[in-house]
Parts: sequence; C-alpha cells; structure tokens
Amino acid sequence: DTAVSQTPKYLVTQMGNDKSIKCEQNLGHDTMYWYKQDSKKFLKIMFSYNNKELIINETVPNRFSPKSPDKAHLNLHINSLELGDSAVYFCASSQAGGGSGANVLTFGAGSRLTVL
Amino acid sequence: AQSVTQPDIHITVSEGASLELRCNYSYGATPYLFWYVQSPGQGLQLLLKYFSGDTLVQGIKGFEAEFKRSQSSFNLRKPSVHWSDAAEYFCAVVFGNEKLTFGTGTRLTIIP
Repeated sequence: DTAVSQTPKYLVTQMGNDKSIKCEQNLGHDTMYWYKQDSKKFLKIMFSYNNKELIINETVPNRFSPKSPDKAHLNLHINSLELGDSAVYFCASSQAGGGSGANVLTFGAGSRLTVL
Repeated sequence: AQSVTQPDIHITVSEGASLELRCNYSYGATPYLFWYVQSPGQGLQLLLKYFSGDTLVQGIKGFEAEFKRSQSSFNLRKPSVHWSDAAEYFCAVVFGNEKLTFGTGTRLTIIP
C-alpha cells in the first residue's frame, strides 16, 4: 500500500495553462504539506494543512492554490503556468501538525512538472 | 539567523569505503535533526532522526549520525557503502516550533 500517493507523476504543459496535482495519504495523518524542489534540488515548503485548515503559507504566488477536501487529501492547483514553475512538487504528511518538532514527514514520490 | 548547511555539494566514494556527509546548523538551542535520502526519480525517505538523548543515532540501511552540540553538527556516516547508496542526501532541521527546513543536499556517487 502506498502511504502518500501523488498524481500525476509527470506533467508536461504549455505556459498559461491551468493544472492540478493530487495527493492522498492513507496513514491517518493530520497534517499535509506541499514542497517544491527546484532544478538545483533545493526543497522549500509551500503550504501546510492541518485537518483541512491552512497553517503554513509561504511566499508563493497566488496562482498556486491548495485545496484540502478532507484530511487525507491535499491538492495543488496552479493557474496561468509559467516557465519558472517547472519543478518537482512533493506532497508529504505527518502525524502532528502546528510546527511541532516531533513531526516526521512521509513523502510522496513527487510530481515532475515541465512548463514549455 | 537560523540555517542548515551541507558544505559538500557532491561526494564520490569507492564501493566498500566509509562515508561521512556533513551537516551544520546555526541556532541558539538544539533543534530536531533529520537525514533524508532521495534516490533518483524517487521521493524522500527518512534515514534517521535526533530529538534528544543518546547523541549517536542509528538509522535504516546501516546509516548512523552523531549529534555534536559543540560543533553544531549532525554528520551522517556509513562504514561501508554499497552501489545502491548512490543518491541525494538531505539534512533537515526543525528550529523550535518552525517548519522543517532542508539543507541544499549532497549528491553521493559510488564508483566500483
């Protein structure tokens, strides 16, 4: 059983399009995250949700909109895609949210987005 | 300012040789410390973590790490690497009640 699953694994699209990446976790975790990994492998948090509520919203363009229909799902919608959005997007989940240092994150396999 | 640094961008090691990957942090107290591994085309897998207690922690795949407060370091070690250890290794830190912050990663190449 896959603990944190993301779809699609690969996404190639044109500039200006709107796309979504879906994430689901079956671990019963309360908190979910989106991280962006750029071409230099640098990982940076974008968003975090705890029980469907947004708790972390880093400096991300408002073209990026996370949506959490329930605590097992956190989707990422991106409007008006730009070349600089090309990256690997990782979903993750953890048991305790709110920035607790005891968090251990479980990551999905990543979704590679290429904007042409 | 709080930060986590991995000084080595790329390390090459012969198969069977020992390995040490460096991680340093800047913080006024002891943070929570993690090492993650990312194999090519894969997500991140937790190797080990340190919260408190024994400063030498054992992880999966034969890895260990030692927390040294005096040096603000949490270096990852393995006595004998295998070709399957080739991957990107990330040190990550939680400062206080902040979010998990990753270092820039160290790419490990294994040569026969």
